[in-house]
This record gives sequence, structure tokens and C-alpha cells, in this order.
Amino acid sequence: KNQVEQSPQSLIILEGKNCTLQCNYTVSPFSNLRWYKQDTGRGPVSLTIMTFSENTKSNGRYTATLDADTKQSSLHITASQLSDSASYICVVSAGAGSYQLTFGKGTKLSVIP
Amino acid sequence: DTAVSQTPKYLVTQMGNDKSIKCEQNLGHDTMYWYKQDSKKFLKIMFSYNNKELIINETVPNRFSPKSPDKAHLNLHINSLELGDSAVYFCASSRQLNTEAFFGQGTRLTVV
Repeated sequence: KNQVEQSPQSLIILEGKNCTLQCNYTVSPFSNLRWYKQDTGRGPVSLTIMTFSENTKSNGRYTATLDADTKQSSLHITASQLSDSASYICVVSAGAGSYQLTFGKGTKLSVIP
Repeated sequence: DTAVSQTPKYLVTQMGNDKSIKCEQNLGHDTMYWYKQDSKKFLKIMFSYNNKELIINETVPNRFSPKSPDKAHLNLHINSLELGDSAVYFCASSRQLNTEAFFGQGTRLTVV
């Protein structure tokens, strides 16, 4: 059964600090892995998409890594800002024409002054 | 300009009613989706249309029927609404299947 597990479930950090969110998956066959940011009351916004051959991708202060061998991904946020407070969702897409998307339950990040 | 727009933003209705949620995208994308986010904030895909054809149809009660009159629109019609249908429904679009998806603001449906 395809699964995506995210940790931690929630995280509180001080403004300016760095943090790393984890995503482990058991989706097969693998097509791509995406990280989304969802602000409260808004729709998710894509941060990164990584395919099998990519092991790191950056989007401003967000850097995602992918280890396809261990089936793990991380999202590193540098110099956090109050506006980073949101839920971060890891989504893994299956390949081979199935297009099945498996969602993690998200990590709720709170950045406090 | 709003890329993916849904209407209404809020919908409160009684059990047993039939309701529709509309979605339009002006990005020229070929693929559109409907997602459901429950009270625990867990997102789950419901349907996906590619060039007006149904591609993904997850295990969803047949009371839910998507309709795509053209590539820019994907509406969701729900018959005989139940309490458990209360959730936030997101529409999204992407250039093609398996590419970056852009989400609408969501429609918060409350069934009373």
C-alpha cells in the first residue's frame, strides 16, 4: 500500500532559526515528489517538484532533498520568517501511467517572534 | 487575475440537498482536479480530468459527479448531501498530468 509519512506532526521555532521537515514514502513505482505550503484558509502552493534523478532543489529559502534509495525527502527552511507559519505537505506521485497521488498528513509549522 | 477560481467560497446547506461547486482556470492547463480536505486537514484527490476526459476517479460516492464542459472548467455536483460531506473542497489545475498543480482558494462546505 502506498504511504507517505511526515514528521514531525507539528513544530514551533523562533523566527530566524532553521528547521527541517521529513517525509518518508513507500510509493511504487515512483514518479515525483512534491512539497506544498498551505497557509491557513488557503489552497496549497507548490514549493518544489523532484523527479527520481534529482536529489536537491531550492526555491528561495526552501531546499528540498530526495534520496530515492532510502525513499526519504526533507524540506529545509533557512532563516525562518513569521510568514513561514503554515502546513507543509509532502505528496508523492506514482508513475507507470497510474498518476496516483499519495498525500502526507502535513507538518504544521509555527514560527514565533 | 486569479489563476484558479472556485465559487462559492462558503456553502452551508441542509442534508439531502443537491449543490454544485464551480471551478475555472485561466492558465491554459490541460488537467484539472478536485480534492477534498477533511477536518484533520488531510488532502485527498477525488477526480482528475485531462482534456475534458476523466483520468482519475478515486473511491468517491457516486453522489459526487464532476462535469467538465471545456478544458477551463471543472464543476463538482453533489447529490443528497450528507453530514460527512462537510469539508473544504479544492479545485486545482496543472499543465499536464504529473506536473505542478495550482490550487484554488477552496470551498468550505458545511452540511447541517
